[in-house]
Amino acid sequence: DIQMTQSPSSLSASIGDRVTITCRASQGIRNSLAWFQQKPGKAPKSLIYATSTLQTGVPSRFSGTGSGTDFTLTITSLQPEDFATYYCQQYNTYPLTFGGGTKVEIE
Amino acid sequence: EVQLLESGGGLVQPGGSLRLSCAASGFTLSTYWMTWVRQAPGKGLEWLANIKQDGSQTYSVDSVKGRFTISRDNAKNSLYLQMNSLRVEDTALYYCARSHVIDLWGQGTLVTVST
Repeated sequence: DIQMTQSPSSLSASIGDRVTITCRASQGIRNSLAWFQQKPGKAPKSLIYATSTLQTGVPSRFSGTGSGTDFTLTITSLQPEDFATYYCQQYNTYPLTFGGGTKVEIE
Repeated sequence: EVQLLESGGGLVQPGGSLRLSCAASGFTLSTYWMTWVRQAPGKGLEWLANIKQDGSQTYSVDSVKGRFTISRDNAKNSLYLQMNSLRVEDTALYYCARSHVIDLWGQGTLVTVST
């Protein structure tokens, strides 16, 4: 199975900060990577697919880059509603696998 | 409104069975791959299984193979997860989700496996 490793597992940031989350795959997954946001007690929300394509309605302050094994999610100016846990997922190879999550907290 | 609504969760003893359902509304289920994902209490997301539009192909993670079966009834706009031989470690919130590349999530249904 492909292991997805996210770093950091948690971070503290302030409103307006630029935040970067990293996701590394244990083997190449081309650009078959998605990002999800989950707030406490809520279902996940789809943010990005194909590494860098924003889902409909997702603010442009979110962006994704990478290919092969190394990927990043960047939030350019953190907003109050962005405090949440973020997960990456590879969908290149079965079984599909998620990263362990990155919790973004208020500093 | 485009949405997914899961049902069928509950408390079950180890070794027991449950059938989860997911009702789709606001879109035509038959045009999408569909997926089940679970989340144990306080833990991350775990992909479980998905199924092709016509049900002709299914994939699942090894930990549920032989115990869980994903299926669908496009005429009823519904997705299912039959769960047999349940274990304590299957306790989780179970989400249905739209597509192989997930773009829509349900709210989840809680399954608790305990004596």
